[in-house]
Amino acid sequence: GAGVSQSPSNKVTEKGKDVELRCDPISGHTALYWYRQSLGQGLEFLIYFQGNSAPDKSGLPSDRFSAERTGGSVSTLTIQRTQQEDSAVYLCASSQGGGPDTQYFGPGTRLTVL
Amino acid sequence: KQEVTQIPAALSVPEGENLVLNCSFTDSAIYNLQWFRQDPGKGLTSLLLIQSSQREQTSGRLNASLDKSSGRSTLYIAASQPGDSATYLCAVTGGSNYKLTFGKGTLLTVNP
Repeated sequence: GAGVSQSPSNKVTEKGKDVELRCDPISGHTALYWYRQSLGQGLEFLIYFQGNSAPDKSGLPSDRFSAERTGGSVSTLTIQRTQQEDSAVYLCASSQGGGPDTQYFGPGTRLTVL
Repeated sequence: KQEVTQIPAALSVPEGENLVLNCSFTDSAIYNLQWFRQDPGKGLTSLLLIQSSQREQTSGRLNASLDKSSGRSTLYIAASQPGDSATYLCAVTGGSNYKLTFGKGTLLTVNP
């Protein structure tokens, strides 16, 4: 079946604009994660969704970042008033859920803030 | 706070060599450890997952070991090939959200 998909693959925006990044997890996976990969910082956890439970937002770097997951499937990561330090690759992963299962990653969205 | 370190940061070897990549982590309270491969401009591909109760896992030419008590893992690649060139990432799963904590990776180049 299809893997995790993300869109857009690349996004260039101007400082101060809002952006939305989309993730389509593997069908049937109840857990969904967002990570950020910055130059020099490595991969960092942002947010975790599991089923209908409240999301774990402990990794979000500021209140400009938010995410939602509609119908337990597609997720959108929104960054408001983008800053240059938000430039990174944003990766989404899904797993079967409910435990420390293998996480399957999408190809990522490369965000560049000018 | 969990910290994961990978050594070396970069490695260049001739084709056919056997090699070892190292990973260490500071908190032994993990569920499992995963090794990933990342090709330029691509996402992550899971190579091996070792449960915290296991000592090693093998897949083809890859063998990963885990010593949870000492906070160490190694990824052994046998008979390396140019197609193995990529960044290899080590990550541990922990916490109530099962998030992955990653090392910064080892950039491997296998020269023909």
